[in-house]
Amino acid sequence: AQTVTQSQPEMSVQEAETVTLSCTYDTSESNYYLFWYKQPPSRQMILVIRQEAYKQQNATENRFSVNFQKAAKSFSLKISDSQLGDTAMYFCAFILPYISGAGSYQLTFGKGTKLSVIP
Amino acid sequence: GAVVSQHPSRVICKSGTSVKIECRSLDFQATTMFWYRQFPKQSLMLMATSNEGSKATYEQGVEKDKFLINHASLTLSTLTVTSAHPEDSSFYICSAPGLAGGLQETQYFGPGTRLLVL
Repeated sequence: AQTVTQSQPEMSVQEAETVTLSCTYDTSESNYYLFWYKQPPSRQMILVIRQEAYKQQNATENRFSVNFQKAAKSFSLKISDSQLGDTAMYFCAFILPYISGAGSYQLTFGKGTKLSVIP
Repeated sequence: GAVVSQHPSRVICKSGTSVKIECRSLDFQATTMFWYRQFPKQSLMLMATSNEGSKATYEQGVEKDKFLINHASLTLSTLTVTSAHPEDSSFYICSAPGLAGGLQETQYFGPGTRLLVL
């Protein structure tokens, strides 16, 4: 079974500064996908960034980037130039590849990290 | 693209009544949808997997007769909370996998439904 661990229940960062959220996971599979989702106070889950395990290059999306360390099973999220709108719960998630006719698309979530951006 | 809607966004009902929540994929087809429950300050808990044209698959501990799921079309899944009680009060979220950059494993979430049972 796959597990996802987020060891930081809460974090805070000053506006315009950089913050890193940590995530570790456990799996015996070699091919999988990792995601960071953001849940602001509106509670709408928003995809922030995704990483395919077979790609060595770290994914980036504007101010968001990941540090994917496959051997260490680590998938941290770096937010640069933090903005007030980044205040949210951040969930790390894991999924195995869908194989036609046999996949289930089931995501495994971590418990989340509450990030507060301070003006 | 890849928008998922939910209706209603919030509902208040009396104990003993049934409540239906709809989840729609607006611009893509979803043969599979997922229903989650989220308690305050907690992560999402998968309740069941909704499969178009077949029975839903429920997670361990989730009452099938309490949470009825129907996935009658490629764009609509419904969750009915039957004989609701105050302990069923929660935030319910649906999701559907959709193609994003060729990655069909990416899931898109509805905005959620807040249920309050009095």
